[in-house]
Formats: sequence, C-alpha cells, structure tokens
Amino acid sequence: ILNVEQSPQSLHVQEGDSTNFTCSFPSSNFYALHWYRWETAKSPEALFVMTLNGDEKKKGRISATLNTKEGYSYLYIKGSQPEDSATYLCAFIPAGKSTFGDGTTLTVKP
Amino acid sequence: NAGVTQTPKFRVLKTGQSMTLLCAQDMNHEYMYWYRQDPGMGLRLIHYSVGEGTTAKGEVPDGYNVSRLKKQNFLLGLESAAPSQTSVYFCASTMGNRGRDTEAFFGQGTRLTVV
Repeated sequence: ILNVEQSPQSLHVQEGDSTNFTCSFPSSNFYALHWYRWETAKSPEALFVMTLNGDEKKKGRISATLNTKEGYSYLYIKGSQPEDSATYLCAFIPAGKSTFGDGTTLTVKP
Repeated sequence: NAGVTQTPKFRVLKTGQSMTLLCAQDMNHEYMYWYRQDPGMGLRLIHYSVGEGTTAKGEVPDGYNVSRLKKQNFLLGLESAAPSQTSVYFCASTMGNRGRDTEAFFGQGTRLTVV
C-alpha cells in the first residue's frame, strides 16, 4: 500500500484569505499526480493532472506545483471564496493504479 | 453525454445477501475503477480494469468480485454482504495511457448499508 498523505486534514479560513495544502507521495516510480475537488453530496471532479517535475498548473484562483524528486505537491487558493469550500483530494498514479490521500477539507467563512 | 452512471444510487442489504453494482460509461474509456469511501477517509481502490475482459485487485479487494465483459460496463459484486461493507461506492473511468495524462471521471456514488 502506497503512502499518500495530505495535510492539513481540515482548514477553516475567512473569505479573502489565501491558503495552501500539501500532498506527499513516494518519490520513486512516479507516473502522475492528480488533484480533485470534492463538494459535499457530489462526485470528485478533476482540477489538475500533473506529470512532470516542476509542473505548475493554474485554473482561475487555484494553482498547483509538483516536485517529484522530493515527493510533494502544493495546492494554492488565492482569495478564498465560500464556493471554494470542499474536500481537495490528491491521487498518486504509479502506472494505472491510483492511491488517493484522505483529503484536506476546506471551509471558507463569509 | 451521460459520462459515468452508477446503478443503484441507494441500497439497504441484510447481512449475507448478495448484490451487484453497475457502472456504465459512454466515453469509450479503457480504464475503469471501483472505490469505496468511508467517513474520515479518502477513496480506497477495490478493483480496477485496464480493458475489456481484464480485472485486477486494488487496495481492499476482499469480499468483492468484478467483471468487465463489455468495455462500457464494470460490475462490482458482493457475494455475501457484511456490515463492514457499509460504505459509499464510487466508480470512475479514464481514457487510457495507464491513467496518466487524463483525469478520472466519477459516477455519482452508491450509498450501501448492510444491516
């Protein structure tokens, strides 16, 4: 079983705050890392697919970076809004067999 | 385009009963997956398939069987349900290339309770 860890487990911020969370994964046998956004009572939806060391991806106010050599990825949210409240999952993909972290649950207070 | 559809959405089983969960995708994806999600935990991989006629065990396969007779369908079976199998089950699919370059698309989930 691969060890994929996300921190923190939960986060409460005020509207307008910027925040970031971490996904740690094994640095060997890297293939891909995915980030998903999971709103309550819905299905996870993909945010980013990252495959190369040094990758930086951006979608609106959300961005992610990838360091495969040291085994971590950061997800940043700039100027958090209440609609950003969700659980953010990362998935480590070593050749087709995905392992998800337990997620970081973000709550943004108006 | 329906994407990934799971049937049923909810089910209550008695201990020892059997049932099959159906996952259907209309995106011509090669890879399909079954996950379970328990409170406080992320998604754990039960079984997966890299193509029609092939299946493989994931992280938590015990008590489950799967079949992929048609490319668009991936079935998850519980032969003798146990209370420990109470969970929310998610199906997902990806286009191919070993799930690397393309994201997974998820179904809406099946909430199963075993009493």
